[in-house]
Amino acid sequence: DTAVSQTPKYLVTQMGNDKSIKCEQNLGHDTMYWYKQDSKKFLKIMFSYNNKELIINETVPNRFSPKSPDKAHLNLHINSLELGDSAVYFCASSPSGGGAYEQYFGPGTRLTVT
Amino acid sequence: AQSVTQLGSHVSVSEGALVLLRCNYSSSVPPYLFWYVQYPNQGLQLLLKYTSAATLVKGINGFEAEFKKSETSFHLTKPSAHMSDAAEYFCAVSEGGNKLVFGAGTILRVKS
Repeated sequence: DTAVSQTPKYLVTQMGNDKSIKCEQNLGHDTMYWYKQDSKKFLKIMFSYNNKELIINETVPNRFSPKSPDKAHLNLHINSLELGDSAVYFCASSPSGGGAYEQYFGPGTRLTVT
Repeated sequence: AQSVTQLGSHVSVSEGALVLLRCNYSSSVPPYLFWYVQYPNQGLQLLLKYTSAATLVKGINGFEAEFKKSETSFHLTKPSAHMSDAAEYFCAVSEGGNKLVFGAGTILRVKS
């Protein structure tokens, strides 16, 4: 059973389009995250949700909108895609209760904007 | 604010040799520290973590790391490298909230 899954794995689209990436975890965790890994492999947190409530919102363009329909799902919607949005996006989850808990990562979604 | 510095973006070792990947952190409070590994085209997998118990932490695949507060370091070691260890390794720090801050990563190459 896949613990953290993401769909799609690859996403190729044109500038200006709107796209969504879906994430699901079956670990029973309360907290979920979105990370962006750029072309230099630098990994940076974008958002975090705890029990469907936004708790971390880094400096991310408001074209990015996360949505958590329930605590097992965290989707990422991106409007008006730009070339600079090309990256690998990782979803992760962890138990709530502080930073001592490791985060479990999904396989990533490679987004290419042309 | 917490930060992580990984010295050496690329490290190359021979198979059977010692692996040493360096990580220094900055944190205003006692940190939680993690090492993750990323194989090509895959997500990150936890190798080990430090959460203020023992300063020498053992992880999976024969890796271990030692927390040294005086040096603000959390270097990752493995006594004998295997070809399957070739991957990118990320050190990360948390100050107790849910936010993980990652270093820039170190690519480990293992030569036969």
